[in-house]
Amino acid sequence: DGGITQSPKYLFRKEGQNVTLSCEQNLNHDAMYWYRQDPGQGLRLIYYSQIVNDFQKGDIAEGYSVSREKKESFPLTVTSAQKNPTAFYLCASTFFGGQGYTFGSGTRLTVV
Amino acid sequence: AQSVSQHNHHVILSEAASLELGCNYSYGGTVNLFWYVQYPGQHLQLLLKYFSGDPLVKGIKGFEAEFIKSKFSFNLRKPSVQWSDTAEYFCAVTAGSGNTPLVFGKGTRLSVIA
Repeated sequence: DGGITQSPKYLFRKEGQNVTLSCEQNLNHDAMYWYRQDPGQGLRLIYYSQIVNDFQKGDIAEGYSVSREKKESFPLTVTSAQKNPTAFYLCASTFFGGQGYTFGSGTRLTVV
Repeated sequence: AQSVSQHNHHVILSEAASLELGCNYSYGGTVNLFWYVQYPGQHLQLLLKYFSGDPLVKGIKGFEAEFIKSKFSFNLRKPSVQWSDTAEYFCAVTAGSGNTPLVFGKGTRLSVIA
């Protein structure tokens, strides 16, 4: 079945460490997105990519980095510069023209 | 830039009560509008969406939403809620071309009590 796979489901990180969250889709979608979900804040856009080797910052890109070397993969790195990284991270994808978004099941990151 | 406002942060209803959750967006052009639901411990699910045509959109589980262009609104309704509707509800918008990312509201938590 086609879909988006996010891994791991739970991730613990020590302060000062970088960590990479995986997002893979087999839907042949063009665009991929990373959102951060915090209680009472909704989903806020971190980064998005509409084509391979190109990506744009979202509303809260500081402290994060991404790459899009392959159409099916859009990993997110949470760097030590992110001041408050504990959150739920959701990946999404869609065809160019964006009328049907597919969401992954998310990764919950906790900084310990 | 697009923005979405959901005015109700937490709504508490008794079973069988009617539901209306407000959603207003800010964007000058044509829009695509969505309502998503997130049940406790589960991932986002699409309830319904509007792209064009009939402004009254019917979705899954008895939900519907009405697009009122003059009011920049896309309110979600259900005539009779059930305990199983307890969840968080998110309104989202993207430009009509679909070439801008989804912008979400902050969500409304719905608690249905027996």
